[in-house]
Amino acid sequence: EPEVTQTPSHQVTQMGQEVILRCVPISNHLYFYWYRQILGQKVEFLVSFYNNEISEKSEIFDDQFSVERPDGSNFTLKIRSTKLEDSAMYFCASSALVTGGYEQYFGPGTRLTVT
Amino acid sequence: GQNIDQPTEMTATEGAIVQINCTYQTSGFNGLFWYQQHAGEAPTFLSYNVLDGLEEKGRFSSFLSRSKGYSYLLLKELQMKDSASYLCAVRWGAAGNKLTFGGGTRVLVKP
Repeated sequence: EPEVTQTPSHQVTQMGQEVILRCVPISNHLYFYWYRQILGQKVEFLVSFYNNEISEKSEIFDDQFSVERPDGSNFTLKIRSTKLEDSAMYFCASSALVTGGYEQYFGPGTRLTVT
Repeated sequence: GQNIDQPTEMTATEGAIVQINCTYQTSGFNGLFWYQQHAGEAPTFLSYNVLDGLEEKGRFSSFLSRSKGYSYLLLKELQMKDSASYLCAVRWGAAGNKLTFGGGTRVLVKP
């Protein structure tokens, strides 16, 4: 069964450093998403991406965040200058969005720890 | 803004039925998802409702009333492995690509 994969599973970085989180969505999916979940809190939408551009974004997704699809398979989230409050689990998701296929399939997540 | 409410925690016995309610207030509603999340893991898709009514899928059923801003997830024949958090999430936004999650309902299944 196809699945969304994410690397690394755990990333530790120092405050102020840049990090890039990587995702490989399901191959025939068209929409890609990033979410974050701070420990013990709810899952929060960050951004959706379609046709090589951002479709929608939340208030959380400010100028320190960017997304990219550098090739036909990878989808990345870059945080330019990490803050302590960026520590969270980051989930990538993808969906087909064709003829009712709106289900979003989540990857296993990258745990980001900012020290 | 979006507001989603669901109970924080529920306890049920193995083999029983549990109903998890979700109420929402949102603009530009496009559909409602239910996800299951075990501790430390990613959410996994359970159901999606866009029209009013009941959707049944094995031991899980989900109901939606758009006029009431209300949904429920019904879990039948509870098994120990069903102990998890159940997340209600509303799809909205101009392009329908934003998903706002509720805080989740933690279900504890006891023998």
